[in-house]
Amino acid sequence: DIQLTQSPSFLSASVGDRVTITCRASQGIDNYLAWYQQKPGKAPKLLIYAASTLQSGVPSRFSGSGSVTEFTLTISSLQPEDFATYSCQQDHVYPWTFGQGTKVEIK
Amino acid sequence: EEQLVESGGGLVQPGGSLRLSCAASEFTFSNFWMCWVRQAPGKGLEWVANINQDGSEKNYVDSVRGRFTISRDNAKNSLYLQMNSLRPEDTAVYFCARRDRVILWSRMDVWGQGTTVTVSS
Repeated sequence: DIQLTQSPSFLSASVGDRVTITCRASQGIDNYLAWYQQKPGKAPKLLIYAASTLQSGVPSRFSGSGSVTEFTLTISSLQPEDFATYSCQQDHVYPWTFGQGTKVEIK
Repeated sequence: EEQLVESGGGLVQPGGSLRLSCAASEFTFSNFWMCWVRQAPGKGLEWVANINQDGSEKNYVDSVRGRFTISRDNAKNSLYLQMNSLRPEDTAVYFCARRDRVILWSRMDVWGQGTTVTVSS
């Protein structure tokens, strides 16, 4: 199975900060990577797919980059509604797998 | 608004069975692959299974293969997950999600609110 490792697991930041989350794959996955945001008690929300394509309706402060084994999710200017857990997910091969999540907390 | 609503969760003893349902609305259900994803308490997301548009192709994570069965009824706009031989480690919130294809890529772009399964004696 392909393992996705996110770093950091926890991140403390302030409103307006630039935030970067990394996702590393144990094997090459081309650019078959998505990013999701999840708030407590809620379903995940798709932010980015194909590593860098912004899902319709998602604010442009979110961006994704990378390919093969290293990927990043960047929030250019953190907003109050962005405090949540972010997870990467690959669908290059079965079983699809998720990273362990990165919790973004208020500093 | 495109919507998915799960039901069928509950408390079940180890070794027991449960059938989850997911009702779709406001989109053409039969055009899409569908998925189940779960999240154990305090843990990350785990993809469980998916099924193609006509039910002829199904994929499972190893930990549930042979115990869980994904199915669908396009006439009823519904997705199902039959869970047998349940174990305490199957305790989780179960989400259904729509898989949309965009050229070569796919995305789980519509999610239900989740239904909670607790396996305990």
